[in-house]
Amino acid sequence: SQQGEEDPQALSIQEGENATMNCSYKTSINNLQWYRQNSGRGLVHLILIRSNEREKHSGRLRVTLDTSKKSSSLLITASRAADTASYFCATDAGGGSRLTFGEGTQLTVNP
Amino acid sequence: DAGITQSPRHKVTETGTPVTLRCHQTENHRYMYWYRQDPGHGLRLIHYSYGVKDTDKGEVSDGYSVSRSKTEDFLLTLESATSSQTSVYFCAISENGLGKGEQFFGPGTRLTVL
Repeated sequence: SQQGEEDPQALSIQEGENATMNCSYKTSINNLQWYRQNSGRGLVHLILIRSNEREKHSGRLRVTLDTSKKSSSLLITASRAADTASYFCATDAGGGSRLTFGEGTQLTVNP
Repeated sequence: DAGITQSPRHKVTETGTPVTLRCHQTENHRYMYWYRQDPGHGLRLIHYSYGVKDTDKGEVSDGYSVSRSKTEDFLLTLESATSSQTSVYFCAISENGLGKGEQFFGPGTRLTVL
């Protein structure tokens, strides 16, 4: 089964609204990453948060990590139509292990 | 985009035929990966390489082999393609190994096995 699981599977909002996506995972991690995938394209790295960090910002993105709950959230503020994409969390289970991706959240931002 | 190209971008083949997908990078990154992406499964690691001639299996390696004879090229071979290998295949690269840092992805190869 997947290490990371995103919730919700799909999210539809209006331009200007905030979008929140959640990721839960099962085992201890060294870091958690978020990626974006536009339709028909490869994944693009958004942000990495380490296990000893609780919050990280990058532009309109805010990521939180709660290791006690084994969960992370990605907040996109003031969303734009160009933010329409699938968003994936990826975790490493430590010890130099591979990244494991969730199934993604499909975000649609309506103009 | 990072300097990663994949070829071919689209391929249709028949069951039982061999298929080779190529990933080429110009970033001189040590680590290279092959993933497949399927609905309901997200991305799953097939094989990865941590240097020239150094490769290891991922979680869905059965039916696939890889080779890396040069830093810049990582080949994925389906020895005898099956319909279950119909998928979108992504190559990725990273400077740091496995889960230690960001990965840069290629544009993908859509493979259809009839």
